[in-house]
Amino acid sequence: KQEVTQIPAALSVPEGENLVLNCSFTDSAIYNLQWFRQDPGKGLTSLLLIQSSQREQTSGRLNASLDKSSGRSTLYIAASQPGDSATYLCAVGGATNKLIFGTGTLLAVQP
Amino acid sequence: ETGVTQSPTHLIKTRGQQVTLRCSSQSGHNTVSWYQQALGQGPQFIFQYYREEENGRGNFPPRFSGLQFPNYSSELNVNALELDDSALYLCASSSGLAGVSTDTQYFGPGTRLTVL
Repeated sequence: KQEVTQIPAALSVPEGENLVLNCSFTDSAIYNLQWFRQDPGKGLTSLLLIQSSQREQTSGRLNASLDKSSGRSTLYIAASQPGDSATYLCAVGGATNKLIFGTGTLLAVQP
Repeated sequence: ETGVTQSPTHLIKTRGQQVTLRCSSQSGHNTVSWYQQALGQGPQFIFQYYREEENGRGNFPPRFSGLQFPNYSSELNVNALELDDSALYLCASSSGLAGVSTDTQYFGPGTRLTVL
């Protein structure tokens, strides 16, 4: 049974700092991995999608990497801003495209 | 191109009642998935519909049921509501072949259901 874990559960950093969020999964037989952002009480915004054949994806200040063999992904945020404050969720997609989510990392960027 | 929309935004029901939640998928998407997100948790997969047929189901009882319409919009129905059904219900749409979709899933804003 696939399980997804995100560490840390919460993180507080000063504005401008570079940071890394971690995601691990137990079954390497995945089709893709997706990172989402969720603001309080809101839906999910897709940030990056990494296919199983890819190693990383970049969008602006965000870079996500995937190491299937070790069951790990990281989301790197450069030059963090207060507007980056949110919960970040990673989810792995299997053959049925059902997404299995971690419990998220709550990020607070202090001005 | 419109995004994924859901209605209603908020809903309050009492235990034992029935509820219907609605989702309009993003233009061009033929697959809709529903998720339940309890407070402080990650979303849990309920089921997925592809071209009006159920295409996978998570660990939810039969009182959770759904429909997908020819325009690919979808409904989630929950009968005999329980207190633990209180959650944010999210739908997501995507495109691709059933069972083998590698496309991004786009989520709606969710419906907040409170069961008293």
